Amino acid sequence: GAGVSQSPRYKVAKRGQDVALRCDPISGHVSLFWYQQALGQGPEFLTYFQNEAQLDKSGLPSDRFFAERPEGSVSTLKIQRTQQEDSAVYLCASSLARQYSNQPQHFGDGTRLSIL
Amino acid sequence: GNSVTQMEGPVTLSEEAFLTINCTYTATGYPSLFWYVQYPGEGLQLLLKATKADDKGSNKGFEATYRKETTSFHLEKGSVQVSDSAVYFCALSDDAGNNRKLIWGLGTSLAVNP
Repeated sequence: GAGVSQSPRYKVAKRGQDVALRCDPISGHVSLFWYQQALGQGPEFLTYFQNEAQLDKSGLPSDRFFAERPEGSVSTLKIQRTQQEDSAVYLCASSLARQYSNQPQHFGDGTRLSIL
Repeated sequence: GNSVTQMEGPVTLSEEAFLTINCTYTATGYPSLFWYVQYPGEGLQLLLKATKADDKGSNKGFEATYRKETTSFHLEKGSVQVSDSAVYFCALSDDAGNNRKLIWGLGTSLAVNP
């Protein structure tokens, strides 16, 4: 069975450019999370979807960050006017259930974003 | 707010040595606790979990017990192998509302030498 798939695996952009990162969750998974992982750090929560509804975007660092999941499956994280501090690994995770905290999150391999 | 504190690495052990990686947490409510592992060049994988006090999670020879009295979830393995070399993350599931976002420690790098 397929796991969480993220693309691209690596992305290099010049400062000021817009980027879009894609996440294909495990089929049937209701919950989808985006995290940002700086080098040598643990992941930091960005945003959460339950189906197509974005229920929590409290972790998005600025209004340059935008995420969507229009059909409740694939999700895209967009970063506008990128800055060097946006360089990090962006992780997507999906989870089967919406209400139970003991359901594990399954992670993709991440997109490593480098801003020059 | 909720937080997770892990022992700092890197940890370097010889094969067959005993491993302990300490993890303590601060949380309101009754979070679930997790250990994730990240092998070189790979994504995060769930290693084990515990959902309530005194539960013991176990997998691949690793164990961790949810200790509410000491707010700890230390990871242990009796005899490590070279293939256990990886970064280990302790995490808790934020129990607020319906958002089960994970709160993470900084990770502990483990290197096992033959």
